[in-house]
Amino acid sequence: EAGVTQFPSHSVIEKGQTVTLRCDPISGHDNLYWYRRVMGKEIKFLLHFVKESKQDESGMPNNRFLAERTGGTYSTLKVQPAELEDSGVYFCASSPVGANTEAFFGQGTRLTVV
Amino acid sequence: EDQVTQSPEALRLQEGESSSLNCSYTVSGLRGLFWYRQDPGKGPEFLFTLYSAGEEKEKERLKATLTKKESFLHITAPKPEDSATYLCAVQAATSYDKVIFGPGTSLSVIP
Repeated sequence: EAGVTQFPSHSVIEKGQTVTLRCDPISGHDNLYWYRRVMGKEIKFLLHFVKESKQDESGMPNNRFLAERTGGTYSTLKVQPAELEDSGVYFCASSPVGANTEAFFGQGTRLTVV
Repeated sequence: EDQVTQSPEALRLQEGESSSLNCSYTVSGLRGLFWYRQDPGKGPEFLFTLYSAGEEKEKERLKATLTKKESFLHITAPKPEDSATYLCAVQAATSYDKVIFGPGTSLSVIP
């Protein structure tokens, strides 16, 4: 069974440009999470989808970040316009329905804004 | 404020030298505590979930324990392939969604 897939694995963009990250969760997992690790800091929660609905987006840094999950399958995270401080590794994770279920993480997308 | 700290920041062990990693947490009601392993360039890989004080779980050379304020990850007779960053994370009872991660402990096991 395929795990959580993220792409691209790396992205280097200039400040002010737009970048879209994609996450394909494990098939059948209704929960989908986005996290971010900024250099030297711990992994931080960004938002949580249950199917196509945003359950909690309190971790989103600002309105330059837009996440979508059309049809409750894959998800995209768009950063527009990107700023230098957006650099980091963006992780996606998915889990099946039910509390206290462990989340399975993708390999992450390393975003560098120059 | 809910938070997680881990110690030490880095640990270097000789192969076969057992040790423990610490995770201290402050959370408004613990729903679950998770241990993950992360290898360079990869996402966190789930190891254990602990739910209540006194609970213990084992997997190969790893054993996780939980008290009301901290968790320990014991590594018995480690091998070089156990080298990785070990992450602790907690989920508060007040939050179905958020998992709060600690900064991690970077473990190196020298042959």
